[in-house]
Amino acid sequence: SQQGEEDPQALSIQEGENATMNCSYKTSINNLQWYRQNSGRGLVHLILIRSNEREKHSGRLRVTLDTSKKSSSLLITASRAADTASYFCATDVQGGSEKLVFGKGTKLTVNP
Amino acid sequence: NAGVTQTPKFQVLKTGQSMTLQCAQDMNHEYMSWYRQDPGMGLRLIHYSVGAGITDQGEVPNGYNVSRSTTEDFPLRLLSAAPSQTSVYFCASRSPLAEKETQYFGPGTRLLVL
Repeated sequence: SQQGEEDPQALSIQEGENATMNCSYKTSINNLQWYRQNSGRGLVHLILIRSNEREKHSGRLRVTLDTSKKSSSLLITASRAADTASYFCATDVQGGSEKLVFGKGTKLTVNP
Repeated sequence: NAGVTQTPKFQVLKTGQSMTLQCAQDMNHEYMSWYRQDPGMGLRLIHYSVGAGITDQGEVPNGYNVSRSTTEDFPLRLLSAAPSQTSVYFCASRSPLAEKETQYFGPGTRLLVL
């Protein structure tokens, strides 16, 4: 079964707007990661947040983690057409750090 | 560094045929994994390895075999291909070190089973 579930499944916005994607998971984690996948390509790592962190920034990306709610959000500010991609959260489950479990992803379309 | 490489990029098989998907990495990563990606299903873990000679099953291992004779290579074998194995397959690797959990993905192999 999927550990992480992203929401929404699809998101369409205009260039310049902010995009927010959410991820919920089921079991305790060591860390949570976000990946981007451009159409027809492999996944690329964006950002990692550890279970003892609440917020992390990287460029136009802001990730939050609420371990009490078992949820995370990814915010992309001032979106660009090049941000069009699918975004996946992945959890590194406590006691099983050799495995990453991915959600089903959010498909983001940024219209120029 | 080439990173994670996968061959072939695309393959068509007939039901019942066998084949091996190749995966190699040049980053000296101990952890390697195989995923399949189907529309609406995200990535599902097939098999993974924590080092040479050590492999384990993931979420969807049936119909697939793996072995890990070297740190660099982690081939995935389809024993008798079925149409349900039509998918895009991704290989990934990462370091086991706590500060280096980023997973690196290959470009994928698109497999069509007729």
